[in-house]
This record gives sequence, C-alpha cells and structure tokens, in this order.
Amino acid sequence: NAGVTQTPKFQVLKTGQSMTLQCAQDMNHNSMYWYRQDPGMGLRLIYYSASEGTTDKGEVPNGYNVSRLNKREFSLRLESAAPSQTSVYFCASRGEAGDTQYFGPGTRLTVL
Amino acid sequence: EDKVVQSPLSLVVHEGDTVTLNCSYEVTNFRSLLWYKQEKKAPTFLFMLTSSGIEKKSGRLSSILDKKELFSILNITATQTGDSAVYLCAVEAWGGANSKLTFGKGITLSVRP
Repeated sequence: NAGVTQTPKFQVLKTGQSMTLQCAQDMNHNSMYWYRQDPGMGLRLIYYSASEGTTDKGEVPNGYNVSRLNKREFSLRLESAAPSQTSVYFCASRGEAGDTQYFGPGTRLTVL
Repeated sequence: EDKVVQSPLSLVVHEGDTVTLNCSYEVTNFRSLLWYKQEKKAPTFLFMLTSSGIEKKSGRLSSILDKKELFSILNITATQTGDSAVYLCAVEAWGGANSKLTFGKGITLSVRP
C-alpha cells in the first residue's frame, strides 16, 4: 500500500515550457487535491476533484489545468511555465468528507 | 472567505521546554480543525478536532478546540529535537463531497539541544 505517490520528485523548467505532474493513490479515495507551498505561505489549494469526472478550482488556479483520469490518478499541467510557479507541489487524497487528507511526498519545481 | 491565522510564526526553544502553538479561524459552517506536522517532506496528520473542550492527546502532544472563541492550541511538553518542524493548522467547512481545507501559514518550531 504505497498511499499517495507523485512524480517527478524534482524538475527544472525554462520559462514557457510545459509539463505534467502526476499523482496516484491506491486507497480508493474519492477526493483528490493539488496544493502549492511557498515559503511563509502555508499550503494553497490549486484544484481539487471531489470524485472521478469532476474538477473544481481552488484558491490559486491560474496557469494550471488538471485531469482526473480515473479514480486513482489526478494530474496537474503547467501549459507555459512561469518563474512565479516555482514552488513545492503536493498532491493529497481523502476518502470521505470529514476524514483527514493524506499527502504525497511532493514535487519541487523550479522555473528559470 | 475562510481564514486561518497561526501564531507565533516561528519559535525557538530548548529541549525539555513546553510550547503552545495557536490557531485562530474564521469559517462559515465549521466542521473540523486539523493539525499537521511537516518536516522536510509531506505533512503528516496529528489531530482532528470537532468538539469544543475535548482534549486530544498523543504522547507528549495534545490539542484542544474552543468553538466559541474560534481557536485551537497545540501543546508539546518536554520538547525534543525531533519535534523541530512546521506545524500546520487547517479548518474544514461543511460542504459535502466538495468540502476542502483552508490552511494557515504554519508555525516553524526549532528545538535546540
């Protein structure tokens, strides 16, 4: 039982490049989340998916897109990376409303 | 808009000290308040609080919620260097499947030997 996994662990991009961050969970959870964490800012929600086939914007969605491919996988895409998107990205999942969220190990992204 | 404010933002103590971390919140239709510990990696769950006045305890850590005054505290007694971490507070409002967490900025705790 791996929990929540994320790939890659580290990535360096040039401004304007695109990439997709992958997230998968094996806990049969309905809800999945993408957060970014910047120094002194806590965790800020980018997008979430309450169930397979649905996605909704969080607090900071601009510059990102998501896909809930199936119940297990939730990907985050940067179409044209900008230096302001340099951050640590965490994926999380949750079984039912009211349960705690379980976090993946994070992806450290640097945009030059 | 839901809001979570943690204080202090950072704290340095010596091993053996007792610390109290604060979290105040404003949220419509409060459901729960959660505490997480984050070392150099993903946040790990500590406590979920839903009822006022009931202390949750795990070893040297304990937490309590005051729903009237809209705050929670996390206490750590006899601190150890392994307690050095960022402590995150988050609140959840009722929203069914669409409910989500709002996080505070975190409190950085450093425990010196």
